[in-house]
Amino acid sequence: AQKVTQAQTEISVVEKEDVTLDCVYETRDTTYYLFWYKQPPSGELVFLIRRNSFDEQNEISGRYSWNFQKSTSSFNFTITASQVVDSAVYFCALSGMNRDDKIIFGKGTRLHILP
Amino acid sequence: KAGVTQTPRYLIKTRGQQVTLSCSPISGHRSVSWYQQTPGQGLQFLFEYFSETQRNKGNFPGRFSGRQFSNSRSEMNVSTLELGDSALYLCASSFRTSDYYNEQFFGPGTRLTVL
Repeated sequence: AQKVTQAQTEISVVEKEDVTLDCVYETRDTTYYLFWYKQPPSGELVFLIRRNSFDEQNEISGRYSWNFQKSTSSFNFTITASQVVDSAVYFCALSGMNRDDKIIFGKGTRLHILP
Repeated sequence: KAGVTQTPRYLIKTRGQQVTLSCSPISGHRSVSWYQQTPGQGLQFLFEYFSETQRNKGNFPGRFSGRQFSNSRSEMNVSTLELGDSALYLCASSFRTSDYYNEQFFGPGTRLTVL
């Protein structure tokens, strides 16, 4: 069975600090997709990144970076120099690559950036 | 271009009633997925429609149903409402090419309260 665990329910950091959100997944599939989504207070989920399981390169996009490690089944997300606008709930998700596969979300991590 | 729209944004119903939620995807998107979000269960996949056909279904009772029209607009119906159906219902659309999981664009959600 597939499972996504975001052990950090809630995190608070002071603005400009770096923060890492953890994501650990379980799957029997050899190929799969991993995702991160952001849900600001408005409610709409915003797509941040999709990663293929066969591409373990880390990715950086501005202040955001992602560390994918297959050996530990983790796909962690780091925000550098956090800003108040980063306050949101962040979801990690997993899906197989077959047409019938569903996307499984973690429970989310609520991030508070304090001014 | 316009984003995913969902109507109504808020809804209050009583137990036993039925409800229909509507989702208009981004123009050109043929895939529409529905999710239920609750504080306890998090984000759970309900079903996905592609070209008017249900392509995938989550683990929800038959009281939850949906359909998609030829213009890709989708409706979700919940019959015989229960208190536990109170949730934020999110709709997501994607272009869906041969690359299985395209980026999903989410709407603002419909918040359903069952009294």
